[in-house]
Amino acid sequence: DTEVTQTPKHLVMGMTNKKSLKCEQHMGHRAMYWYKQKAKKPPELMFVYSYEKLSINESVPSRFSPECPNSSLLNLHLHALQPEDSALYLCASSQDGASPYEQYFGPGTRLTVT
Amino acid sequence: AQSVTQLDSQVPVFEEAPVELRCNYSSSVSVYLFWYVQYPNQGLQLLLKYLSGSTLVESINGFEAEFNKSQTSFHLRKPSVHISDTAEYFCAVSERAQKLVFGQGTRLTINP
Repeated sequence: DTEVTQTPKHLVMGMTNKKSLKCEQHMGHRAMYWYKQKAKKPPELMFVYSYEKLSINESVPSRFSPECPNSSLLNLHLHALQPEDSALYLCASSQDGASPYEQYFGPGTRLTVT
Repeated sequence: AQSVTQLDSQVPVFEEAPVELRCNYSSSVSVYLFWYVQYPNQGLQLLLKYLSGSTLVESINGFEAEFNKSQTSFHLRKPSVHISDTAEYFCAVSERAQKLVFGQGTRLTINP
């Protein structure tokens, strides 16, 4: 099974809402990633978890809060977002964070902030 | 710091024609190189990778890329494209684990 799943596929939220994005993988990977992708742009790294610990935070605003409850799950908690945060949010995983293994991406959650 | 330049933002070709998508990178150390493909409304899929060894790498669907250290390039080629190859293609480089740096992407459009 080489699949990374993400829920929901689409999310519309107001600027005062709190919502969460979920990501799951069952490949035994120990590194998981959140990316943000705006239209016609490449993905931009937001966070990396390695062995369930946050290892990289690319200076992401605190209105985005990641969480890694276990090695298979990755959440992104959203609060007080701005319209410019509307984007495709991609989750990815790789075998571990110590070697340049390829990253496997999920289909993404398309977020619209109104 | 590493960076990736994809020289063409859009490449239109006719079906069954050959195609080359160009990628150059900048890095001061050894790198690992990847091509990802993104079909409309989907996530990214790994197309092929260069980690070490043979400089010519191939994918299962007919694409190939050649790592050229002297020219710092990793161009993607396919001898005959199909309509189904229409997608956005991203070249990416990694100097160290965890951090992938992507190029701006090349939109490949196949015309019948």
